[in-house]
Amino acid sequence: DAGVIQSPRHEVTEMGQEVTLRCKPISGHNSLFWYRQTMMRGLELLIYFNNNVPIDDSGMPEDRFSAKMPNASFSTLKIQPSEPRDSAVYFCASSPLGWETQYFGPGTRLLVL
Amino acid sequence: GENVEQHPSTLSVQEGDSAVIKCTYSDSASNYFPWYKQELGKGPQLIIDIRSNVGEKKDQRIAVTLNKTAKHFSLHITETQPEDSAVYFCAESGGSNYKLTFGKGTLLTVNP
Repeated sequence: DAGVIQSPRHEVTEMGQEVTLRCKPISGHNSLFWYRQTMMRGLELLIYFNNNVPIDDSGMPEDRFSAKMPNASFSTLKIQPSEPRDSAVYFCASSPLGWETQYFGPGTRLLVL
Repeated sequence: GENVEQHPSTLSVQEGDSAVIKCTYSDSASNYFPWYKQELGKGPQLIIDIRSNVGEKKDQRIAVTLNKTAKHFSLHITETQPEDSAVYFCAESGGSNYKLTFGKGTLLTVNP
């Protein structure tokens, strides 16, 4: 099993640019999560999908953030426009059991200059 | 879960010694307690989890204990090895808030 796949692994962009992060969950998992990790705030849940439907997006910081899951094998997290405070590591995780047994991807390290 | 406190924030042990990390939670209805290991530059890796109907669970050198009355759970690593060095996160979910809430992490260093 390849595990959760994320791309890109690193992204450096300038303030105001659009950033798109991609995730491929583990095959057969019906739940997908996007997290953000910073030193100050730790791991924060941004959004949770179940069977491709957004269930909880209360963690999405503001309208600049959006996430989609067009099918069971692909999800995107988009930031438009990006700001320096968005710099963080963004993780995608998937699970076959809802909130339990979440498996994380390697993350995307985002730096907004 | 609403809040998870994790202690200590850093822990240094000699190879072969045991390491214990403790977390406390506030929601008495919480029922799922996983532990994650995160190595530098990698994503958190699920290493063990326990549910509220069980008091203890073991997997080789790793064990987790749960005290529902006191609302705390602990990770025990025996015969530590340098490759156990990482940041360990506890988490909990269930009850009034089904989201997985993470502790702030413990940086474990195993000295050869």
